[in-house]
Parts: sequence; structure tokens; C-alpha cells
Amino acid sequence: DIVMTQSPLSLPVTPGEPASISCRSSQSLLKSNGYYYLDWYLQKPGQSPQLLIYLSSNRASGVPDRFSGSGSGTDFTLKISRVEAEDVGVYYCMQGLQPPITFGQGTRLEIK
Amino acid sequence: EVQLVESGGGLVQPGGSLRLSCAVSGFGFTNYWMRWVRQAPGKGLEWVASIKQDEREVHYVGSVQGRFTISGDNAKNSLFLQMNSLRVEDTAVYYCMRASGPGGYGEWGLGTLVTVSS
Repeated sequence: DIVMTQSPLSLPVTPGEPASISCRSSQSLLKSNGYYYLDWYLQKPGQSPQLLIYLSSNRASGVPDRFSGSGSGTDFTLKISRVEAEDVGVYYCMQGLQPPITFGQGTRLEIK
Repeated sequence: EVQLVESGGGLVQPGGSLRLSCAVSGFGFTNYWMRWVRQAPGKGLEWVASIKQDEREVHYVGSVQGRFTISGDNAKNSLFLQMNSLRVEDTAVYYCMRASGPGGYGEWGLGTLVTVSS
């Protein structure tokens, strides 16, 4: 099974400041079609998860451009250029390369 | 507009059964990987099962293998999760979702709560 490890697990951020979350996989997430099967989801309090970034670096429809994803191989990063109050919640990375599909532990972002 | 609407959750005793449904609108699910993902109270996300209807391919997490069955109905454009021999540790909100791919996607439903308790 591919193990997904996120850090940090808790992230207090001042509004307007940048934030970064790391996600590492226990093996490469590169598929034969050339894409890295790594997604980022945000679960806001009391809501279902929502897709932010798919295939490592593609912003989902309607996601603000302050969110960006990067990475390759086994190391991936989600960056928020300027955190806003509405970004509070738990961020998960997920590998969709092969079953069992696995998630990171989640990173809880809170506003200072 | 894409919508995924889960139903069928409830309270069941250990050893009992439930059948969850996910009504899909806005796209035909048969050509996409569709997943059930669950979240135990206060915990993270856990993938449960996947199906690609047109290729008749299914996968399960080890803890539900042999107890849960994922299926789909093309005519109803709906997914199902038949859950047998339920355990206390199966208590969770169950979400259905469309997998992401080169075209985007990654939509989730609102979830349905399954509580296994005596």
C-alpha cells in the first residue's frame, strides 16, 4: 500500500500570510500517462471535502488562484499565497494512482 | 450541474446490513472511476471501494473485502454500496465521489451517516 505522510498536522496562520503543506508518498505517483495522481482536498467545518488541486498541479474549477500545487515523484506541496479566513479547515492529500486509494492524515489550518 | 446525493444510512446493530445509494446527475457515471469514502466521527478520510462500470472493475479496502459490495445501475445512473456483517468500527459518514483525472472532476456528495451500535 502507498503510505501518504503530511506535515505539519497543525498550521496556525495569520491572515494575509502564506502557508505551505507537504505531502510525501512512499512510492512514486507517476502513472504511465505522464501524470502524477496526487490530489489536494479541503474539508471546511461541517462540510464535505472539496477538490482544490488535481494531478499534482491543476487547480480545480472555481478554486481561487491563491492556491497552487507542485511536486513530482514522491514529494508534493500545496501552497496558499495569502491565507484568508475562509481557508480554515482540514487539508488532505490523496493518491489516486492505485488501490488501495490512500489519504494523508490531514492538516488542520487555523487562523491566528 | 453535477450532483451526487447519498441515501440509505441509519442505525443498525452489529452483524446487520445496509444498502447505501448514490444518485448521480450531471454526467453518466459508467465511464468514470467512482468511489465510496468514509469518515469516522472526528477522524480522517478513508477510501472504501471503487468501481468503473464500463470496465466491470471494482476494488475494496482490505477491512471491508468480503463484506461490502459496490455496484451500479446504468438505467438509474446510481451507485450502491451493499454493506453486510457490519461492525461497530464501520460507523462513519459515507460519501460517494467521482475520481479526478486529466479533465478535473473530484466532486463529492453530502454524505450519509451509518451508525453501527447495539
